[in-house]
Amino acid sequence: DIVMTQSPDSLAVSLGERATINCKSSQSVFYNSNNKNYLTWYQQKPGQPPKLLIYWASTRESGVPDRFSGSGSGTDFTLTISSLQAEDVAVYYCQQYYSTPYTFGQGTKLEIK
Amino acid sequence: EVQLVESGGDLVQPGGSLRLSCTASGFTFSTYWMHWVRQVPGKGLAWVSRINTDGSSTTYADSVKGRFTISRDNAKNTLYLQMNSLRVEDTAIYYCGRPLGGGGSIVAFDIWGQGTLVTVSS
Repeated sequence: DIVMTQSPDSLAVSLGERATINCKSSQSVFYNSNNKNYLTWYQQKPGQPPKLLIYWASTRESGVPDRFSGSGSGTDFTLTISSLQAEDVAVYYCQQYYSTPYTFGQGTKLEIK
Repeated sequence: EVQLVESGGDLVQPGGSLRLSCTASGFTFSTYWMHWVRQVPGKGLAWVSRINTDGSSTTYADSVKGRFTISRDNAKNTLYLQMNSLRVEDTAIYYCGRPLGGGGSIVAFDIWGQGTLVTVSS
């Protein structure tokens, strides 16, 4: 199984500042055949299901604000929120869909400083 | 509106059985692979199972293999998860998820249900 490890476990950032969450996979999730990274990011708020933010490691889902961006390739990935808003307080998860079992990171809790 | 609605969660004793349902609306259910994902309240997410469009192919996490069965009824736009030999560690919120693009390649879930709580306890 591919193990997904996020860092940090929790993060406190001031409003308007940048937030960066890292995700590392135990093996590459990059497919040479189509040059794509099989990595997605979700946001989950209390009492709600996860919300898709990013897929293919860097493609923003429709309707997601452009302050959210994804980057990275192979085994190391980053979710960046360029200017933190109050509504961004949530837990963020990465997930690989390179192979089954599809696996998630343990989550990063983002709070306001 | 594109929607998934789960039902069937309940309190059940260890060793018991339960069947979860996920009813889809607002999209062509029969053209999408479908998945179950679970989450222990307050903890992380764990993928459980997937099924292809016509139900001929299924895959399971090792933790549920041999105990859970995923199935679907495309005429009823409904996904199922039959859960047998339930264990305390199966206690979780169970979500059904629709992958972006429908097929087996982009397993990024753009549509989730609200979840149904399964509690396994004596």
